Amino acid sequence: QSALTQPASVSGSPGQSITISCTGTSSDVGGYNYVSWYQQHPGKAPKLMIYDVSNRPSGVSNRFSGSKSGNTASLTISGLQAEDEADYYCSSYTSSSIWVFGGGTKLTVL
Amino acid sequence: QVQLVQSGAEVKKPGASVKVSCKASGYTFTSYDINWVRQATGQGLEWMGWMNPNSGNTGYAQKFQGRVTMTRNTSISTAYMELSSLRSEDTAVYYCARVGVLLANDYWGQGTLVTVSS
Repeated sequence: QSALTQPASVSGSPGQSITISCTGTSSDVGGYNYVSWYQQHPGKAPKLMIYDVSNRPSGVSNRFSGSKSGNTASLTISGLQAEDEADYYCSSYTSSSIWVFGGGTKLTVL
Repeated sequence: QVQLVQSGAEVKKPGASVKVSCKASGYTFTSYDINWVRQATGQGLEWMGWMNPNSGNTGYAQKFQGRVTMTRNTSISTAYMELSSLRSEDTAVYYCARVGVLLANDYWGQGTLVTVSS
């Protein structure tokens, strides 16, 4: 099972919006809504930001939103803030009953 | 509140084994699966396998088949991940995570650094 494909890096200025893509196949992202997104700050454990493609856990800012089209899922962060600077990972459950992660995207807030 | 507390850092020699623990609290341990995920320094997240604490059933990533064993002790709400035949490439932070609603990893342990060095 190959890793999901994410851009290595994205950047944006405070107040702007950015979108991170996550491309898989019909056996993972395209076949299930079990897509989740994680935020990881340096030296910290990952934190769940989005589950089931577009749902936010309690306590996560509504500036974070998720969507999916075909085999590609996306995470959008609106109203960028300095604290959003982190690594972001997508993940999907797969037809092989395993999980797969994306390679990660480093978000820089300019 | 839900918490997963992992055991401390380990240093192992190549060829040895390591066993990392993950103690759960704040919820019914046997009601949620546990995933194990690792992250080499400067690298991305890598899924290793899952365990159902109620049944003990497990599923491992093909890459780790034959080298990883995931177990649990329900009396103390603790999950374990043992990795054998360690090599330098296994140097990483190992995380346990609870598999919550709709198969997302909703709570994570703090991570355990395993260093493999001669």
